[in-house]
Amino acid sequence: AQKITQTQPGMFVQEKEAVTLDCTYDTSDPSYGLFWYKQPSSGEMIFLIYQGSYDQQNATEGRYSLNFQKARKSANLVISASQLGDSAMYFCAMREGNSNSGYALNFGKGTSLLVTP
Amino acid sequence: DTGVSQNPRHKITKRGQNVTFRCDPISEHNRLYWYRQTLGQGPEFLTYFQNEAQLEKSRLLSDRFSAERPKGSFSTLEIQRTEQGDSAMYLCASSLAGQYRAEAFFGQGTRLTVV
Repeated sequence: AQKITQTQPGMFVQEKEAVTLDCTYDTSDPSYGLFWYKQPSSGEMIFLIYQGSYDQQNATEGRYSLNFQKARKSANLVISASQLGDSAMYFCAMREGNSNSGYALNFGKGTSLLVTP
Repeated sequence: DTGVSQNPRHKITKRGQNVTFRCDPISEHNRLYWYRQTLGQGPEFLTYFQNEAQLEKSRLLSDRFSAERPKGSFSTLEIQRTEQGDSAMYLCASSLAGQYRAEAFFGQGTRLTVV
C-alpha cells in the first residue's frame, strides 16, 4: 500500500504568490518524521523541511512551512512568495521510527511545480 | 567536505553488460542508502549500510544487484547482466545513525541508460 500520497501531479503558480503542495501519509507507527525534498532538473534531492510526529508546532524554514494535521495524516508544504527558481519536482517522504530499513525514506510520486512570471 | 558525491553522472551501457557506480558520502555520516528513481516516480529504497555492514535490502534488489561499502567509507553498486528495465536514476544518500530526525543528504545521482 502506498504510504505517501501526493495527489497533484502538476501545479502552476504565479511568481510572488503562495502555493500549497498536498501530501497525505499512512502509518500506524506513533514515531515518524515527514520530509519535503525539492528535485530540480539537475537531479539532486534538496532537503527543504522536516516535521516530527511529536512536534507541537508546524515546522518553518524560510519561505517554506509545513501544515501538519496529524489527525488527518496530512503534511502539506506551503511555499510563500514563489520564485522562478522554485520550479522543480517536490517530493514528500516519511521515515518511520520502527523501520527495518534503517530509517530509509518512503517517497511519494511527487508534484511538478511551475512558477510563471 | 562538499556533500555526497556520485560517479559517474551518466552511464550508457548495452544490455547484458555489467556496470558499477560509486558513492562517496559525507565523511561523518555512518548510514548510507541507495535508491532507484524511474521516470515519473519518487525514489524507491534499495539498500542501506551502517558503517560497512549492509543491514537491509529491498526486494527490488534482485540477485543481479550487489552493493558494498568496504571500510565504511565509499560505496559501490554493481548491476550484472543489465536489462532495459534497469534504466533509471540511481541515488545515493547519507545520514547520521540513530537520529530518525536527521535529514538524508543526497548525491546528484547516476543516470543509467541500458540500450
